[in-house]
This record gives sequence, C-alpha cells and structure tokens, in this order.
Amino acid sequence: KNEVEQSPQNLTAQEGEFITINCSYSVGISALHWLQQHPGGGIVSLFMLSSGKKKHGRLIATINIQEKHSSLHITASHPRDSAVYICAVPPNSGGSNYKLTFGKGTLLTVNP
Amino acid sequence: NAGVMQNPRHLVRRRGQEARLRCSPMKGHSHVYWYRQLPEEGLKFMVYLQKENIIDESGMPKERFSAEFPKEGPSILRIQQVVRGDSAAYFCASSRAGGLYEQYFGPGTRLTVT
Repeated sequence: KNEVEQSPQNLTAQEGEFITINCSYSVGISALHWLQQHPGGGIVSLFMLSSGKKKHGRLIATINIQEKHSSLHITASHPRDSAVYICAVPPNSGGSNYKLTFGKGTLLTVNP
Repeated sequence: NAGVMQNPRHLVRRRGQEARLRCSPMKGHSHVYWYRQLPEEGLKFMVYLQKENIIDESGMPKERFSAEFPKEGPSILRIQQVVRGDSAAYFCASSRAGGLYEQYFGPGTRLTVT
C-alpha cells in the first residue's frame, strides 16, 4: 500500500497570498491526483499529473517522480479557495492504478 | 455534458433498514468507482465496476454491502441492515476507461443512520 503524507494539515492565509500544499508518497507511481472538497460538499478533480507541471487558472501542480513528491500552488489566493485539498495516488506504477489511496487532506482557509 | 450524478444527496435510515445509493456516470464513461468517507477520516476505495462486472471489490466490507452496475441504468451501492457505523459520505467517480485515467467525482450521498 502506498503511504501518503500531506502537509500542512491546516493552513490559514490572507487573501492574495501564495499558497503551497505538499504531498509525499512512499511507492513509485505513474501519476498523482489533486482533488478539492468544499466543507459538506462534493469532490472536484483538479489535476492528474504524471510529470513536470500543470496549470489551470491560478492553480499550479508540480510533481517530482524521482523524489516521490508533489506540490499544489495557488497564486493570488481568494476566500473562495477555502476548501480541503487532497492528493491521491495509485498503489504503484503498475496495475490497479484505479485503486487510489488518499491523503488526509489540507484544510485551507483564506481570509478576506 | 452533465457530470457524475448521485442520488439521493442525503439519506436517513434507521438501524436495520436498507440503503440504496445510486450513481450515474458521466456520458461516455463505463467505469465506476465507489469510495467511502467516514467522519474525520480520509476517502477509502470500496469497489470498482464496469458495466455488468465487478472488477475489484477488495475495499468493500464482507457483509451487508454489495454493488452492481447493470447494462442499463445507474450503478447501485446497497447496504443491508445498516448500523450507525455506516454513517458516512459515499462518493462515486467515473472514468472513460480503466487504469490510469482521470476519475470524475460525483457530489456524494451523505448517509445518516439513526
């Protein structure tokens, strides 16, 4: 089983700040997912990435496969970014890639 | 293009009753995954289905839980004789194919057992 660690667990920021959330995992993988969950709400898939960097609006995700580490950055943070951010990884780089293991999540609060 | 749909969004059941949770995948998606999120815990994989087939149910409790994805209609997660410990948010996700394809999540069903 792939062990997933996210940091920080909780993050409070002022509107406009640059945010970084980190995710480390124990077993080499082909790709990693970043998800967003609003309190009491559904889950939105933000990124699936296997190498390098992806950007969508103010969100940027990077991954270093060799170091087994990924980061999610939010530029010019806004109160509506307040949510739990979750990284998820498959068990390894081979089969059963669908069987995701999820981090405990990072609760981000952006104050106006 | 409608996303993944789940219903009901909230379900209240008394202990011993049955709960049926439905998931309609995105158009064009034939692979469905169910996850459970217990209070104060992370998401956990339960089962992976394709149309008419259970591919992997290794995350499902051995008793009282079953899942199906018929040729026509939504995928159903069925919990018989519910207990308080079944209270959780149940999410389904769908993908176009199996393996390492992006999974799109539904809004979840919040089950409360009283």
